[in-house]
Amino acid sequence: AQSVTQPDIHITVSEGASLELRCNYSYGATPYLFWYVQSPGQGLQLLLKYFSGDTLVQGIKGFEAEFKRSQSSFNLRKPSVHWSDAAEYFCAVGPYNQGGKLIFGQGTELSVKP
Amino acid sequence: EPEVTQTPSHQVTQMGQEVILRCVPISNHLYFYWYRQILGQKVEFLVSFYNNEISEKSEIFDDQFSVERPDGSNFTLKIRSTKLEDSAMYFCASRPGLAPQETQYFGPGTRLLVL
Repeated sequence: AQSVTQPDIHITVSEGASLELRCNYSYGATPYLFWYVQSPGQGLQLLLKYFSGDTLVQGIKGFEAEFKRSQSSFNLRKPSVHWSDAAEYFCAVGPYNQGGKLIFGQGTELSVKP
Repeated sequence: EPEVTQTPSHQVTQMGQEVILRCVPISNHLYFYWYRQILGQKVEFLVSFYNNEISEKSEIFDDQFSVERPDGSNFTLKIRSTKLEDSAMYFCASRPGLAPQETQYFGPGTRLLVL
């Protein structure tokens, strides 16, 4: 069955430090992979997505993610975190049919220390 | 930039009452979705809707749930007789086209509390 695991429930980093949020997936075919971010009171905003081609994907707000098929991973990275990056981050996989259902991980809450 | 909107932002109801959660998807989008997130758990798919009918639904989406697109702009989720376990954040989303790689755009959510 398709699933997504985000092993870290909560991460705290200092402002200016680098960030890596982990995501592992289980999927029967070539996956479409997404990272969404949710700031308090806001909806889920797409950061980036991977479908094919270059395994290093650039997104908005300086984020990037690397698809590693051998590790079934799609980790999100940012070289230098800003206080405004504090939010909840969701990894998702799918859709596997035209209906477009996404399967989400549990989310990682990011706190940023001054 | 167009966005998905949802009303109300918060809803408190008594167990057994009916609730209707409202969403306005992005204009000209073709696919519509409801997801929910129980506190501390994953975001879960409930239902997808296309061409005025349900495209896919999850096991969660039982007879207590229904969706409707009553006019050209609104997309609603009705829970007929709410249970305590229906307390969650409900997200609406829409997708512009049929290609699976098209982005789903999410609304800010409605937080439902069933007492």
